[in-house]
Amino acid sequence: GESVGLHLPTLSVQEGDNSIINCAYSNSASDYFIWYKQESGKGPQFIIDIRSNMDKRQGQRVTVLLNKTVKHLSLQIAATQPGDSAVYFCAENYHGSGNTGKLIFGQGTTLQVKP
Amino acid sequence: DADVTQTPRNRITKTGKRIMLECSQTKGHDRMYWYRQDPGLGLQLIYYSFDVKDINKGEISDGYSVSRQAQAKFSLSLESAIPNQTALYFCATSGSPGDTQYFGPGTRLTVL
Repeated sequence: GESVGLHLPTLSVQEGDNSIINCAYSNSASDYFIWYKQESGKGPQFIIDIRSNMDKRQGQRVTVLLNKTVKHLSLQIAATQPGDSAVYFCAENYHGSGNTGKLIFGQGTTLQVKP
Repeated sequence: DADVTQTPRNRITKTGKRIMLECSQTKGHDRMYWYRQDPGLGLQLIYYSFDVKDINKGEISDGYSVSRQAQAKFSLSLESAIPNQTALYFCATSGSPGDTQYFGPGTRLTVL
């Protein structure tokens, strides 16, 4: 069955360094991917998305890379700040049989930023 | 996101009680979702609705029911709460298939 997974449950980085959070997905039919940030006590917040016809998309301090060959997604955060500390989820938009598009979420990676 | 609100934000109840969680949105989206999040885990889909007349079961619908009262309102009910339904519950909305989902702030439910 389909699954979305993040490679590491916890990532610890020094303030100012770049962070890379990885995600593997198994469904080749997925055509849309999203990264969410969830701070303690809050709901997931949209960070950036990418469609399957793209390899790379950049936002403010964040970049998402999509490698469809190996079904891998990554989120890069430049110059990581204490405010970036949160749990990061990747999600894929799944088009299964009879399905009109549902998001499947990974389990999340906790990013800890050390001062 | 203030565009999606959930009430209550916290609730403690006892086994066997009926509980309703409410979600409202001002984004004008047709699609609404209810998710459950357990500690250390991702989000699991309970129910979703693509418009007022359309309700669909998600991955873990047993023990839950929903009502789509209007485009802007989607409520989740636990008919007879049990302790393993203790979790964070999130409502989300999206405008169209394959669109980003926007989440509410969550409801922390504890069933004793």
